[in-house]
Amino acid sequence: AQKVTQAQTEISVVEKEDVTLDCVYETRDTTYYLFWYKQPPSGELVFLIRRNSFDEQNEISGRYSWNFQKSTSSFNFTITASQVVDSAVYFCALTLISGYSTLTFGKGTMLLVSP
Amino acid sequence: DTEVTQTPKHLVMGMTNKKSLKCEQHMGHRAMYWYKQKAKKPPELMFVYSYEKLSINESVPSRFSPECPNSSLLNLHLHALQPEDSALYLCASSQPGGSGNTIYFGEGSWLTVV
Repeated sequence: AQKVTQAQTEISVVEKEDVTLDCVYETRDTTYYLFWYKQPPSGELVFLIRRNSFDEQNEISGRYSWNFQKSTSSFNFTITASQVVDSAVYFCALTLISGYSTLTFGKGTMLLVSP
Repeated sequence: DTEVTQTPKHLVMGMTNKKSLKCEQHMGHRAMYWYKQKAKKPPELMFVYSYEKLSINESVPSRFSPECPNSSLLNLHLHALQPEDSALYLCASSQPGGSGNTIYFGEGSWLTVV
């Protein structure tokens, strides 16, 4: 069975600080996909990124960057120069290639960015 | 803007009521999902439809009855719910099958059972 661990329950930062959200996963499969979703207070789960297990390239999208390391089974997410609008719960999730595309979620990290 | 639309956004119902949650997606996806999310918890999978057929039922009580009238619509019929069923209900869609297809979520329906 798969497992995703987000050890940080809540993080509080002041605007313009950089912040890293940790994600560690467990799976016996060699082929899988990892995701990050953002959930603001409104409730919608917003897709941020999808990364397959064969692609360990780091990715940068604006203020967001992701560091995928298979050696440590981690897929960490960094927000540079955080803003108040970044305040949300962030979920890391994993899905396997086989079967249906069902997601195994971590418990989420609540990020609070204060002005 | 999300391409998965859910209605209503908020619903308050009594334990003897019958109501429905509705979901529509405009992305041409052939898999649709219902998730339930309690406060401070991750979403939990309830049902998966693939090509309009129920593929996964995660042992959900029969007071929740899903329906997929066509490839772009998904309903969740609610009857005789309990207060503990109060939660955020999220609809989602993706291309069917494996291959790690991205699942896109709607804004959710906040359900309160009184």
